[in-house]
Amino acid sequence: GQQVMQIPQYQHVQEGEDFTTYCNSSTTLSNIQWYKQRPGGHPVFLIQLVKSGEVKKQKRLTFQFGEAKKNSSLHITATQTTDVGTYFCAGRRGGADGLTFGKGTHLIIQP
Amino acid sequence: GAGVSQSPRYKVAKRGQDVALRCDPISGHVSLFWYQQALGQGPEFLTYFQNEAQLDKSGLPSDRFFAERPEGSVSTLKIQRTQQEDSAVYLCASSTIRGYEQYFGPGTRLTVT
Repeated sequence: GQQVMQIPQYQHVQEGEDFTTYCNSSTTLSNIQWYKQRPGGHPVFLIQLVKSGEVKKQKRLTFQFGEAKKNSSLHITATQTTDVGTYFCAGRRGGADGLTFGKGTHLIIQP
Repeated sequence: GAGVSQSPRYKVAKRGQDVALRCDPISGHVSLFWYQQALGQGPEFLTYFQNEAQLDKSGLPSDRFFAERPEGSVSTLKIQRTQQEDSAVYLCASSTIRGYEQYFGPGTRLTVT
């Protein structure tokens, strides 16, 4: 079945440093979504990417979808303590219901 | 407006007991999803409803798991004869369009002792 892999599993950064998490799928995706889950909370939708090579920005966050629609990345510039949490990518194959989530990248920020 | 709500928020069950977990989706949301999230892992898909129709139950781990949404709004996930490996957070999500943004509830943390 479809697998979505994310690296790194944990990332420690100093406040103000940049952060990147990478996502790879074993199959071509119709779209990819990113979610953020704060400690003790539930996943919250950040963005969806649909087109090959798509790049979207949300303030300090930059999301990319690979040309082959099998990989994606999330980059955060100048991290802040409010960025703490786990970032998940989730893929949906064309015609399939439900999302396949990666294991997530836990972002830990040291002030 | 009100988001997705789930009850109970915490449930402790003895091994072998049956449990029922409830999800109230956002009003008007056609699609409803159940996920299981083990500690430190990403959510894993269990089942999907479009209105009252269960269109995909391929993620249910065994025939002890059963979900229903009889009137196309509230959904119940039932687990029979609970096992320790069923301990996890059970998340419900709803959306307006299949495959697009999913709104998650706070989850039910199930602990089987």
